[in-house]
Amino acid sequence: DGGITQSPKYLFRKEGQNVTLSCEQNLNHDAMYWYRQDPGQGLRLIYYSQIVNDFQKGDIAEGYSVSREKKESFPLTVTSAQKNPTAFYLCASSIGGWNQPQHFGDGTRLSIL
Amino acid sequence: AQSVTQPDIHITVSEGASLELRCNYSYGATPYLFWYVQSPGQGLQLLLKYFSGDTLVQGIKGFEAEFKRSQSSFNLRKPSVHWSDAAEYFCAVGGDDKIIFGKGTRLHILP
Repeated sequence: DGGITQSPKYLFRKEGQNVTLSCEQNLNHDAMYWYRQDPGQGLRLIYYSQIVNDFQKGDIAEGYSVSREKKESFPLTVTSAQKNPTAFYLCASSIGGWNQPQHFGDGTRLSIL
Repeated sequence: AQSVTQPDIHITVSEGASLELRCNYSYGATPYLFWYVQSPGQGLQLLLKYFSGDTLVQGIKGFEAEFKRSQSSFNLRKPSVHWSDAAEYFCAVGGDDKIIFGKGTRLHILP
């Protein structure tokens, strides 16, 4: 079945450590997205990529980095510069364009040790 | 400016009762509207979408939504809820250069 796979489901970060969240899709979608979800705040866009080898900052990109070397993969790195990284992170994909529905993975919950 | 408001943070209904979740949007042109559902610890699943045409759209799991341009609303309805409908529901509006999600409405079901 086609879908989006996020791993790991739970992740713990130590102070000063970078961590990378994986997102893989086999839907043949051009566009991929990373969102951060905090209780009561809905979804906030971190980064997005409309095509391979290209990506743009979203509303809250500071302290995060991404790459898009393959169509299927869009990993997110949470750097030590992100001072409040504890959140639920969601990856999504779509055929492209903000007017298209997005398909979501099951998320990664990141916590600080 | 593009925005989405879900006025109700929590809603509680009895199993078998009808449901209406409110969504108001602001967008200068014809909006692309979506409703998603999220179960705890999981991602979002698309319930339905409105792009154009018939203002009453049918979705999965027995949900429907009505687009009312005059009221800038896109409310989600279900005639009879089941205990499995307990979840968080998000309305979203897509435009030319972004998508905005509402902050969500958590639905509780009384047995």
